Amino acid sequence: GNSVTQMEGPVTLSEEAFLTINCTYTATGYPSLFWYVQYPGEGLQLLLKATKADDKGSNKGFEATYRKETTSFHLEKGSVQVSDSAVYFCALSDWSEYGNKLVFGAGTILRVKS
Amino acid sequence: GAVVSQHPSRVICKSGTSVKIECRSLDFQATTMFWYRQFPKQSLMLMATSNEGSKATYEQGVEKDKFLINHASLTLSTLTVTSAHPEDSSFYICSGTIAGGGDTQYFGPGTRLTVL
Repeated sequence: GNSVTQMEGPVTLSEEAFLTINCTYTATGYPSLFWYVQYPGEGLQLLLKATKADDKGSNKGFEATYRKETTSFHLEKGSVQVSDSAVYFCALSDWSEYGNKLVFGAGTILRVKS
Repeated sequence: GAVVSQHPSRVICKSGTSVKIECRSLDFQATTMFWYRQFPKQSLMLMATSNEGSKATYEQGVEKDKFLINHASLTLSTLTVTSAHPEDSSFYICSGTIAGGGDTQYFGPGTRLTVL
């Protein structure tokens, strides 16, 4: 079945450092790919998405490119802030007749120190 | 926009009792709602998909008689954990998709269930 693998955390960075969180997937077909973020005490929020190969999703300085050849969707940000501290989830859409399910990775905790 | 609420945010109950969790889409109509379970330091596991006015579709291994899902309106879905036991203690999260709005899911803040 479809699956998502993302790098284990926690990832600890200093403010203004470069961030990469790796995400690879296994899927039949061509799913949409997502990054969701969960801030402390809050629900999951969509950070960005890409719906087809070579698409780049971007939001709030974060970006990720849908790479079909490497089945990857790595999340990057050039300069992180303390406010970016959260849990980041990579996910893919899995179409079914009942609805578009999401398959999540395990989540990566990001801690940014000032 | 696209706000989802859950109630209660936390609940503690005795073993053998039933607990109902509500999931509401506050500013959109959700034709499809999803219920997830999240264990500590683990990812979200889909439990079931519910479409308004029809029976929920459960994932393999999820007991439909134990986790009753009702999606009676386009803005409300409920999950009832029947005869709860300590192993049902978990973080339950719902989400909804906007009718005609593609595959983006909008998530609620979650409900922490503790069964004593």
